[in-house]
Amino acid sequence: DAGITQSPRHKVTETGTPVTLRCHQTENHRYMYWYRQDPGHGLRLIHYSYGVKDTDKGEVSDGYSVSRSKTEDFLLTLESATSSQTSVYFCAISESEALNTEAFFGQGTRLTVV
Amino acid sequence: AQSVTQLDSHVSVSEGTPVLLRCNYSSSYSPSLFWYVQHPNKGLQLLLKYTSAATLVKGINGFEAEFKKSETSFHLTKPSAHMSDAAEYFCVVSDAWAAGNKLTFGGGTRVLVKP
Repeated sequence: DAGITQSPRHKVTETGTPVTLRCHQTENHRYMYWYRQDPGHGLRLIHYSYGVKDTDKGEVSDGYSVSRSKTEDFLLTLESATSSQTSVYFCAISESEALNTEAFFGQGTRLTVV
Repeated sequence: AQSVTQLDSHVSVSEGTPVLLRCNYSSSYSPSLFWYVQHPNKGLQLLLKYTSAATLVKGINGFEAEFKKSETSFHLTKPSAHMSDAAEYFCVVSDAWAAGNKLTFGGGTRVLVKP
């Protein structure tokens, strides 16, 4: 398995509180991604990073921010959690953006906002 | 813009019978195509990927997929289902010319294998 660790693996939080999820990789891959998984939608991209301090939005970025201060760490922050952000969050890494380069996924973080 | 449609949200097969999971895609340019599998409460694992070297792609665990450009399809098959194949399967496309190697997922097909 690719060296990707997500923490925490499970979290329950209250509406309106800030939450930070962490993704740590040991593969030295340039690209890192945050996806959320909801039934019937597959996985949808929230934000991604193409290098230290270089990030960009995905298709469902509203209410989320990210930071990448080191190659190995990519943080996802929910500034003020809402019930609609209850989901399973996956971090992924990719070595390059070349054709046919696959992504490797972490084990996921199940977040419940009550 | 790229998109992926998995034509069946659920597929039920008997153990030992063939499995067919259907996927259609749209992409502005030459796409990268993948199938991923997710077992319950697990992360996603790559089954196979289309590399343009051959239209029939073989993956792990006996799965294979055929790329048909004229039909914009990338269907996944396995000749004989095993109980361990019960999982959710995702067809994924990445636009080769888009920055960031961003993946677009289909909605997923959940496979049930009956003994």
